[in-house]
Amino acid sequence: DIQLTQSPSFLSASVGDRVTITCRASQGISSFLAWYQQKPGKTPELLIYVASTLQSGVPSRFSGSGSGTEFTLTISSLQPEDFATYYCQQLNSYPYTFGQGTKLEIK
Amino acid sequence: QVQLVQSGAEVKKPGASVKVSCKAYGYTFTTYGIHWVRQAPGQGLEWMGWISSGNGDTDYSQTFQGRVTITRDTSASTAYMELSSPRSEDTAVYYCARDFGRGLPFDSWGQGTLVTVSS
Repeated sequence: DIQLTQSPSFLSASVGDRVTITCRASQGISSFLAWYQQKPGKTPELLIYVASTLQSGVPSRFSGSGSGTEFTLTISSLQPEDFATYYCQQLNSYPYTFGQGTKLEIK
Repeated sequence: QVQLVQSGAEVKKPGASVKVSCKAYGYTFTTYGIHWVRQAPGQGLEWMGWISSGNGDTDYSQTFQGRVTITRDTSASTAYMELSSPRSEDTAVYYCARDFGRGLPFDSWGQGTLVTVSS
């Protein structure tokens, strides 16, 4: 199985900050990586797929990059509604594994 | 409008199978695959398996060692996930989700079904 490791697991930041979350795969997955946002008690929402394509309706302050084994999610200027948990997911091969999550908290 | 509606919460004793349904609305059911993902309390997301709504092909995470069976009823636009011999560690919210193509992610999720396994 392909393992995904996110860093950091916890991140404390302020409104307006620029933040970056990294996702590393245990083997190459081309660009088959997606990012989701999940708020407490809610279902995950798709932000980015094929590493860098923004899902329709997602604000442009979110961006993704990378290929192979290293990927990043960047939020250019944090808004209050962005404080949530973020997960990466590989879709290169079954099982479609998720990273352990990064909880983004208000400083 | 695409919507996946799941069945209600379940409470099961250890060893008694549980079956969760996921009914699709707003699109042609057989066009997209359905995945099942679970989330234990306070934990992350765990992929369980997939079914092709068109031809019924399946793939499962080996984590569940044959305890998970995913089926579908195309006439009812509904997918099902059955978990056999559940134990307390299987207490979680179970989600169905739709992919929009092979290698593409999940663009629509069910509301989640809480399954509690307790004696």
